[in-house]
Amino acid sequence: DAKTTQPNSMESNEEEPVHLPCNHSTISGTDYIHWYRQLPSQGPEYVIHGLTSNVNNRMASLAIAEDRKSSTLILHRATLRDAAVYYCILRKPFNNDMRFGAGTRLTVKP
Amino acid sequence: DAGVTQSPTHLIKTRGQQVTLRCSPKSGHDTVSWYQQALGQGPQFIFQYYEEEERQRGNFPDRFSGHQFPNYSSELNVNALLLGDSALYLCASSLSFRALVGYTFGSGTRLTVV
Repeated sequence: DAKTTQPNSMESNEEEPVHLPCNHSTISGTDYIHWYRQLPSQGPEYVIHGLTSNVNNRMASLAIAEDRKSSTLILHRATLRDAAVYYCILRKPFNNDMRFGAGTRLTVKP
Repeated sequence: DAGVTQSPTHLIKTRGQQVTLRCSPKSGHDTVSWYQQALGQGPQFIFQYYEEEERQRGNFPDRFSGHQFPNYSSELNVNALLLGDSALYLCASSLSFRALVGYTFGSGTRLTVV
């Protein structure tokens, strides 16, 4: 199964953009790229997902490299409430075994 | 709109005992998945239920079993508890196990085995 690699931790200043990278060099053609985040003392929260094209929603943007071997989650203006562990996950259609790694712990400084 | 509800929030059990955790999915969702999250790690997939049947299972022993009821709620049962079963158990619901949709997670049940 394809795996993802994320930095263990990142820091950002409040109200600045944050770019969270994810490498998935062994991604297959049918793997969707999903992002979840987990705030302290809560369950994971769905953020965004995509296949090939860049995606935007009210929470974030997802930029996918042309060769799909990496992607970047973009938070346009970080707030203190965005401090969380962010997980990048590859998921095949019709396969619900979502494999979470250790994720990236994002710290947002005021 | 209520999200995913899990009960109890915390539980302490003795090694060798059995435990049942409960989950009510988000309104309108028909599929329930269970995850185990050890301290400092990402969640690990246990199994998923749809139409009252286990549809997919992760790498967990048979001591872990589940059930889904006609109202889509679900239970996770763990027999012969081990110290290593201490973890946060998360329930996630979604609409149809076939669809590529985002999951809604509950806040979890913190199980401590002593």
